Amino acid sequence: AQSVTQLGSHVSVSEGALVLLRCNYSSSVPPYLFWYVQYPNQGLQLLLKYTSAATLVKGINGFEAEFKKSETSFHLTKPSAHMSDAAEYFCAVRSYSSASKIIFGSGTRLSIRP
Amino acid sequence: EAGVAQSPRYKIIEKRQSVAFWCNPISGHATLYWYQQILGQGPKLLIQFQNNGVVDDSQLPKDRFSAERLKGVDSTLKIQPAKLEDSAVYLCASSFLGTGTGLYEQYFGPGTRLTVT
Repeated sequence: AQSVTQLGSHVSVSEGALVLLRCNYSSSVPPYLFWYVQYPNQGLQLLLKYTSAATLVKGINGFEAEFKKSETSFHLTKPSAHMSDAAEYFCAVRSYSSASKIIFGSGTRLSIRP
Repeated sequence: EAGVAQSPRYKIIEKRQSVAFWCNPISGHATLYWYQQILGQGPKLLIQFQNNGVVDDSQLPKDRFSAERLKGVDSTLKIQPAKLEDSAVYLCASSFLGTGTGLYEQYFGPGTRLTVT
């Protein structure tokens, strides 16, 4: 069965610093992977998705993620953090048994220090 | 394009009471999902509809939770009776029904925050 593990429930960085949120996946087949962002009191919004094309995926708001099969990882990065990036971030994987079902990780809360 | 609408946004009830949540998906989206998001956790799928039929309800606590999507458009999720552990955010999402093995991006509503006291 597919699953994702997010390392670190809370990450804090200074404004302007590199953001790195970690996600490792488990899948018996080539995975489709996602990163979602959830701002306070809002629903989830898709940041980016990996569909087995380019291994480096660019998303909205300056975020990108790199698929590394050898490390079973799909870490999310942003070169320079902005105060508006403070939110909860979820890594997710598409279910093998159902193309329309996705399985979420437990989330990482990103805080930005002024 | 209007997004996924949910109501109410907040609800506080006492245990053993009943509660219902409403969701209106994006127009033309055949697939509708209800998720439960407990504080500090990722969303967990409760039930998935395709048009007005249930695709997956394997994680729905059927002794107290029910959901319907009678006309294949909007949907209601009900809890009766509520327990303390039902306190969570209930998210509704919808997606376009595609064909083949393509990705079906899910669009989320703002959620309903339920507090059971």
